[in-house]
Amino acid sequence: DIQMTQSPSSLSASVGDRVTITCRASQSINSYLNWYQQKPRKAPKLLIYAASSLQSGVPSRFSGSGSGTDFTLTISSLQPEDFATYYCQQTYSTPRTFGQGTKVEIK
Amino acid sequence: QVQLQESGPGLVKPSQTLSLTCTVSGGSISSGGYYWSWIRQPAGKGLEWIGRMYTSGSSNYNPSLNSRVTISLDTSRNQFSLKLTSVTAADTAVYYCAREDTTSYRKLDYWGQGTLVTVSS
Repeated sequence: DIQMTQSPSSLSASVGDRVTITCRASQSINSYLNWYQQKPRKAPKLLIYAASSLQSGVPSRFSGSGSGTDFTLTISSLQPEDFATYYCQQTYSTPRTFGQGTKVEIK
Repeated sequence: QVQLQESGPGLVKPSQTLSLTCTVSGGSISSGGYYWSWIRQPAGKGLEWIGRMYTSGSSNYNPSLNSRVTISLDTSRNQFSLKLTSVTAADTAVYYCAREDTTSYRKLDYWGQGTLVTVSS
């Protein structure tokens, strides 16, 4: 199985801050990397697919980059509705695997 | 707009079989290019991929659950199902069904709202 490791596990930030979350794969996954946002008691929501493609309807303040083993999710200016947990997922091979999550909290 | 909705018992006894159904609306599960998937999340923990099935019947399962899991499709009802045998308390989780779109890269683009299944006697 491909292991996905996110950092940090949690972070505190203020509205308007630039936030960066990283995800590392245990082997190369090309660009088969997705990012999801999950709010409490809600299903995950797809934000970014193929490492850097913005899912339809997702605000442009979200962006993704990377390829191979190292990936980044950036929120350019944190908004109140962005406080949530973020997960990366590899779709290079099965079983699909997720990172452990990064919780973005209000400072 | 594709929508998915999970249904099934919220309480299952240890050693019994967990059975859930996902009803899909706004699209056909017979359409090519999509895998129909199950993911679960224990309370306060991360996401675990359970498995997926294609319209052809091709399936993939998480090896950690492989021998206990079966996913099936019912195209006449536009539903797909999950069966997990010999459950224990460790199988207590919110279970999500989702669509994996392989027509445009590979992504879980539509999810059900999730259903909590508790394993307890």
